[in-house]
Amino acid sequence: AQSVSQHNHHVILSEAASLELGCNYSYGGTVNLFWYVQYPGQHLQLLLKYFSGDPLVKGIKGFEAEFIKSKFSFNLRKPSVQWSDTAEYFCAVTSTSGTYKYIFGTGTRLKVLA
Amino acid sequence: GAGVSQSPRYKVAKRGQDVALRCDPISGHVSLFWYQQALGQGPEFLTYFQNEAQLDKSGLPSDRFFAERPEGSVSTLKIQRTQQEDSAVYLCASSLAWLADTGELFFGEGSRLTVL
Repeated sequence: AQSVSQHNHHVILSEAASLELGCNYSYGGTVNLFWYVQYPGQHLQLLLKYFSGDPLVKGIKGFEAEFIKSKFSFNLRKPSVQWSDTAEYFCAVTSTSGTYKYIFGTGTRLKVLA
Repeated sequence: GAGVSQSPRYKVAKRGQDVALRCDPISGHVSLFWYQQALGQGPEFLTYFQNEAQLDKSGLPSDRFFAERPEGSVSTLKIQRTQQEDSAVYLCASSLAWLADTGELFFGEGSRLTVL
């Protein structure tokens, strides 16, 4: 079955700490991968995406993610978090074979302490 | 408008009542999705429209759920005879793309339904 796993449900960090959020997927065939973020009181918005090419992708606000095909992973990283990064982060996957269906993980709630 | 607009933002219904949730996507966006997000969970796919055609409704939990997009723009998700397990945030998203291989989803802020 198609699924996305985010193993860290809650993460608490101090400002300037480094961040890595795990995402693993189970999906037949080649995939497109996404990270969406939901800041408190706001709607979900795209943070970054991988379609093809360089497996290290950079997104907004200093975030990056690395696609490791052999590990079925797409972990999100940031070298130094800020208080404003407090949000919920969702990993999502779709197939490249002409589908519209996005499968989301359960989310990771990040709290950054000032 | 500039973004995806959903209404109402909050709805409290008594068990057994019918509810209708509205989504106004970004103008010109071909694809429209409805997702259900239960507390502590990620968004779960409900249904997908390409213009006015409902191409997939496989995620609708029961025949009490019905969605339409008659003119290819505004969409309505209707839930009949609401049950407590229907309590969730209902998210609408739209995309300019026909398919997921090029598209970014633009989400609304959601409609939070509480069934008492």
